[in-house]
Amino acid sequence: QTVVTQEPSLTVSPGGTVTLTCGSSTGSVTTYNYPYWFQQKPGQAPRTLIYDTSDTLSWTPARFSGSLLGGKAALTLSGAQPEDEAEYYCLLSYRDGWFFGGGTKLAVL
Amino acid sequence: QVRLQESGPGLVRPSQTLSLTCSVSGVSFNSGDYFWAWFRQPAGKGLEWIGRFFSTGSTKYNPSLSGRATISVDTFRRQISLELTSVTAADTAVYYCARHPSGYWGQGISVTVSS
Repeated sequence: QTVVTQEPSLTVSPGGTVTLTCGSSTGSVTTYNYPYWFQQKPGQAPRTLIYDTSDTLSWTPARFSGSLLGGKAALTLSGAQPEDEAEYYCLLSYRDGWFFGGGTKLAVL
Repeated sequence: QVRLQESGPGLVRPSQTLSLTCSVSGVSFNSGDYFWAWFRQPAGKGLEWIGRFFSTGSTKYNPSLSGRATISVDTFRRQISLELTSVTAADTAVYYCARHPSGYWGQGISVTVSS
């Protein structure tokens, strides 16, 4: 059973930088896992921020970027804003299908 | 304006089949390389992928559902359907449809499995 791991919680100061990571129990995450990152606020549907490791959508704030870092997928937030406080989920693609990480609760304090 | 709207019963009896529909407007329905997908989220828990339908017609489902899920697409009606058989209380969740990698999501529909 594939397990995708994320930090349960992180805190960043307003204006600060934080990196969320997404690891895989099968080994290093690569571009062939086509990592996605989603932001979800309470009571709302998820919003796609990043797909295919680092591609952004028209609504993705420029302060969010995706990459591979140390064998994991990474979402970096540079210049955190209060509205960035949310749950963040990564999604990885495998032969068996898609699997989510457990989510990272990001606090901006 | 792109809109994905889930619809279906809010309450399903145990052992019955859950049937949901996602109606799509404002976006090309049958051109390009993309997935139509269903996800769900139990209250207070994380997201779970249910299955996906690729634009070529191929499908794939979460192995943990043990073959209970079926996704179909009606291009004429611009709808994506999900059927989940033999439901139990563990299938209680908010269900979302989405198109990837376009990033379009429905608002979700809450489904409770209870007698």
